[in-house]
Amino acid sequence: QKEVEQNSGPLSVPEGAIASLNCTYSDRGSQSFFWYRQYSGKSPELIMFIYSNGDKEDGRFTAQLNKASQYVSLLIRDSQPSDSATYLCAVRDDKIIFGKGTRLHILP
Amino acid sequence: DAGVIQSPRHEVTEMGQEVTLRCKPISGHNSLFWYRQTMMRGLELLIYFNNNVPIDDSGMPEDRFSAKMPNASFSTLKIQPSEPRDSAVYFCASSPSTLGGQPQHFGDGTRLSIL
Repeated sequence: QKEVEQNSGPLSVPEGAIASLNCTYSDRGSQSFFWYRQYSGKSPELIMFIYSNGDKEDGRFTAQLNKASQYVSLLIRDSQPSDSATYLCAVRDDKIIFGKGTRLHILP
Repeated sequence: DAGVIQSPRHEVTEMGQEVTLRCKPISGHNSLFWYRQTMMRGLELLIYFNNNVPIDDSGMPEDRFSAKMPNASFSTLKIQPSEPRDSAVYFCASSPSTLGGQPQHFGDGTRLSIL
């Protein structure tokens, strides 16, 4: 059974600080990794994807992948109240598997 | 470009009734996915299609659930008969293909309540 694990939170971070979200996965053969953001009552929206080991930066967001440790993370710099949402980690090999998400709360 | 379009947005019906959820994927996307999301179980993949062909339906909970994709621009998820435990948000998503790391684009979902 392939699994994707995330801490459910809530993770509370002061505005302007760095929010760090973590995800581990069980299938060593996984090739693609995604972070989705989901606001309450809304659908998931893709914010980052990463395929190779290392870091990938896009604006305030940085995705980090370590395939040897089967670990993927998302850093959000200069956190804003609008970043408050649930963040879903997704891992894809032959099909995509989602974690249950981490609730992030940015404190004004 | 239009995104993934789902209908209805909300559905409230009594147990035992047939429920049909509809999805129009993004034009040109070859893969279509049906998910169910609940607080307890998170986002679960029910079934996915590639080029209108069902590839993996191992997530379909039981025979009461069925899904079809008669053409590249339309898919349905049917529950017959419906039960209260089917209450959830059902999302449809599409992607350019199932190969490699193609991300999925989600519709707004159908919030289903079975009384």
